Amino acid sequence: AQSVTQLDSQVPVFEEAPVELRCNYSSSVSVYLFWYVQYPNQGLQLLLKYLSGSTLVESINGFEAEFNKSQTSFHLRKPSVHISDTAEYFCAVSGSEKLVFGKGTKLTVNP
Amino acid sequence: DAGVIQSPRHEVTEMGQEVTLRCKPISGHNSLFWYRQTMMRGLELLIYFNNNVPIDDSGMPEDRFSAKMPNASFSTLKIQPSEPRDSAVYFCASSFQTSGGSRGVNEQFFGPGTRLTVL
Repeated sequence: AQSVTQLDSQVPVFEEAPVELRCNYSSSVSVYLFWYVQYPNQGLQLLLKYLSGSTLVESINGFEAEFNKSQTSFHLRKPSVHISDTAEYFCAVSGSEKLVFGKGTKLTVNP
Repeated sequence: DAGVIQSPRHEVTEMGQEVTLRCKPISGHNSLFWYRQTMMRGLELLIYFNNNVPIDDSGMPEDRFSAKMPNASFSTLKIQPSEPRDSAVYFCASSFQTSGGSRGVNEQFFGPGTRLTVL
């Protein structure tokens, strides 16, 4: 069985500041890791994913995440956030067809 | 592509009433997932189908909940009778799952959700 822990339920930051959203997972099998984003009153959208290969994965809007097997982590980072990045971010792990989601981290970017 | 379509977007009903939520997955996708999102429990997988067959319904909370997928383009989630604790946002998602070693790696596309309020 897999599980995901997102340590921070809320992260407030100022615009143009860097941000890191933390995600740790546990699994007894090889996993695939995902970050999804949910904007207000919308469904979840895939932000980025790690399947294999390079441990650093990037999204088209400047986010990146690094798979660290020894620390069982997949933290999400962005060097400079925008107001439009305000949303809830979910880390997820998959060892099969199912995704197991963390509780989510609400990122609020203030001007 | 219209994406995953869910209806209704909002539903307000009284305790004891039957509620039916509907989902149309993306054309060509062969897996469909029903999730429930609440503040307390986060995002929970209720049930998923592959090629219209229920594969795992271990997340269905109790017998009051049932889900069907009569064909590749339609699924329903029914709650009968509904209770106030069923109030949540219910999401449907679909994906195309390949067979073999790459199972589970394909992106799930989520619908906009149905916000259910049971009074």
